Amino acid sequence: EVHLVESGGGLIQPGGSLRISCVAAGFNFGAYGMNWVRQAPGKGLEWVSQISSGGSPPFYADSVKGRFTVYRDNDKDSLFLQMNNLRVEDTAVYYCVRGVLDYWGQGILVTVSS
Amino acid sequence: QAGLTQPPSVSKVLRQTATLTCTGNSNNVGNQGALWLQQHQGHPPKLLSYRNNERPSGISERFSASRSGNTASLTITGLQPEDEAEYFCSAWDSDLRAWLFGVGTKLTVL
Repeated sequence: EVHLVESGGGLIQPGGSLRISCVAAGFNFGAYGMNWVRQAPGKGLEWVSQISSGGSPPFYADSVKGRFTVYRDNDKDSLFLQMNNLRVEDTAVYYCVRGVLDYWGQGILVTVSS
Repeated sequence: QAGLTQPPSVSKVLRQTATLTCTGNSNNVGNQGALWLQQHQGHPPKLLSYRNNERPSGISERFSASRSGNTASLTITGLQPEDEAEYFCSAWDSDLRAWLFGVGTKLTVL
């Protein structure tokens, strides 16, 4: 069974940095592209970033380009999102999502507030 | 990045049929097709349909998807109380190189 478990969220001040993680289980992690998708409180879904199974440059939403960096460690079945220069509008539940959005983690809340 | 167009809400009576729509353009829905996600309050989204009408294992046959040009549709037959949820469509945009989402349709089962 596929499992995606996010961690590392919390409360951070505007302008701060935070790294969130996702550990995958139940499938060959290295063979799949992975995504981060976020959902602000009471709002819809917003795609954040995608990283391929290996080699290709990642893609980012315009709203996070230049501030967020996605990377992965296939040996540890892990996906990461380094978030710098955080803004209040980055407050959201961040989901780790496999490939063509077929499996979603439970999500982790990131709150940016002073 | 622009999103896909969905009606914000649809209300139907128990055991009736609901059809939800999602409109994009030739770079996303019209090219790659759309997928549909169901989200109940307080839970992560769940994939209902991909490649226009492929259903993951465990998804009821009451859910079926289709596409005509740049518009995708999700039809839910025999509506049940548990179908009351938010439904999002999504598609990969080959020009923007991004996943796009609709704003979501809140389905109410009366």
